[in-house]
Amino acid sequence: ETGVTQSPTHLIKTRGQQVTLRCSSQSGHNTVSWYQQALGQGPQFIFQYYREEENGRGNFPPRFSGLQFPNYSSELNVNALELDDSALYLCASSLEVEQETQYFGPGTRLLVL
Amino acid sequence: AQSVSQHNHHVILSEAASLELGCNYSYGGTVNLFWYVQYPGQHLQLLLKYFSGDPLVKGIKGFEAEFIKSKFSFNLRKPSVQWSDTAEYFCAVNVDTGRRALTFGSGTRLQVQP
Repeated sequence: ETGVTQSPTHLIKTRGQQVTLRCSSQSGHNTVSWYQQALGQGPQFIFQYYREEENGRGNFPPRFSGLQFPNYSSELNVNALELDDSALYLCASSLEVEQETQYFGPGTRLLVL
Repeated sequence: AQSVSQHNHHVILSEAASLELGCNYSYGGTVNLFWYVQYPGQHLQLLLKYFSGDPLVKGIKGFEAEFIKSKFSFNLRKPSVQWSDTAEYFCAVNVDTGRRALTFGSGTRLQVQP
């Protein structure tokens, strides 16, 4: 167990809907990264938040957005859901002094119908 | 952009066999390298990491990895696997460009037969 928690564990949505996923980082970690893991693939970087600001973004469209709160928890929002958004969404937290070393939560499995 | 290749998609071994999983990356600059493991039904766990120094890195559960810069490789090894090592293994790289993102390989599924 890393201490990183995510909610919900599973979610079913329909195409065009919007979804919000939540993450609580490990105690003392002020950096949060989000990844998308499609079936049979490795995780792909969506974006990272540090001190409530976006600190880097992967190759994902603007309908993927995020927030980080003063307690370092974070949200991932996806608008206008598409079928291809079906995946496991992973949150990872890290320390400011070593942001590369990331500790992952259990993920939220999203199914878009 | 950097990429990570894991050529072994599915490996089946008997208990006590030796393990080596390949990982190659494509980036010419400074890199930080990681191996993660995902046991069935569990979250990704960090096995080991390399930032600098001794290219032979020891991790948890008896795993080790060797960084060979000339080959752009970071292969994972274990002298004797156990049934409990059955899992999916991911190699990941972070390049020293200020953005602390990890680029993952597609993973290797290891099945250890008792």
